[in-house]
Amino acid sequence: QVQLVQSGAEVKKPGASVKVSCKASGYTFTSYDINWVRQATGQGLEWMGWMNPNSGNTGYAQKFQGRVTMTRNTSISTAYMELSSLRSEDTAVYYCARGGYSYDNWGQGTLVTVSS
Amino acid sequence: DIQMTQSPSSLSASVGDRVTITCQASQDISNYLNWYQQKPGKAPKLLIYDASNLETGVPSRFSGSGSGTDFTFTISSLQPEDIATYYCQQYDNLPRTFGPGTKVDIK
Repeated sequence: QVQLVQSGAEVKKPGASVKVSCKASGYTFTSYDINWVRQATGQGLEWMGWMNPNSGNTGYAQKFQGRVTMTRNTSISTAYMELSSLRSEDTAVYYCARGGYSYDNWGQGTLVTVSS
Repeated sequence: DIQMTQSPSSLSASVGDRVTITCQASQDISNYLNWYQQKPGKAPKLLIYDASNLETGVPSRFSGSGSGTDFTFTISSLQPEDIATYYCQQYDNLPRTFGPGTKVDIK
């Protein structure tokens, strides 16, 4: 069965960077885009960007341009999302999700807490 | 960016009731719309894609309709396990955008 397993919770100081991983199994990793969506506590879903694991092509929401980098390691079927210059407003659960248009499988979420 | 709105923001209904949620896009998105269900502490789950297609394994009491700018999501007979927040999401343009969500609970 398709699974996306994310790395564990992180606590970071303002100004630091965080890198979240998303390990795929149960399908051909390079055949589906990976998207990143975040959700602050009690808030809605916010799309951050996408990556094509085959080509490495990416597209980011303007809000995160310059601060987010999405990469992958195809040898271990893992996607990564790195967010830099963290601020308190970046405290949220970060999800990876499979799909180009419709996100049919999601990771379990990674809580990133930004606090001094 | 395409703005998505949903109404109502929350609703309370009885088991067996028909529940309807509307989603409106700020511009024509054809039928490029998904509906997701999110239960507390869990990741979202895809229910409907292309505005009206039921994802495999999703109960038939869930349905979607609409095109252009106006869309509807319906639960034909509300069940206790349907307590969740429901989000619409457009994929006509980048960035993908979600509606603010509709929280459904049992009266």
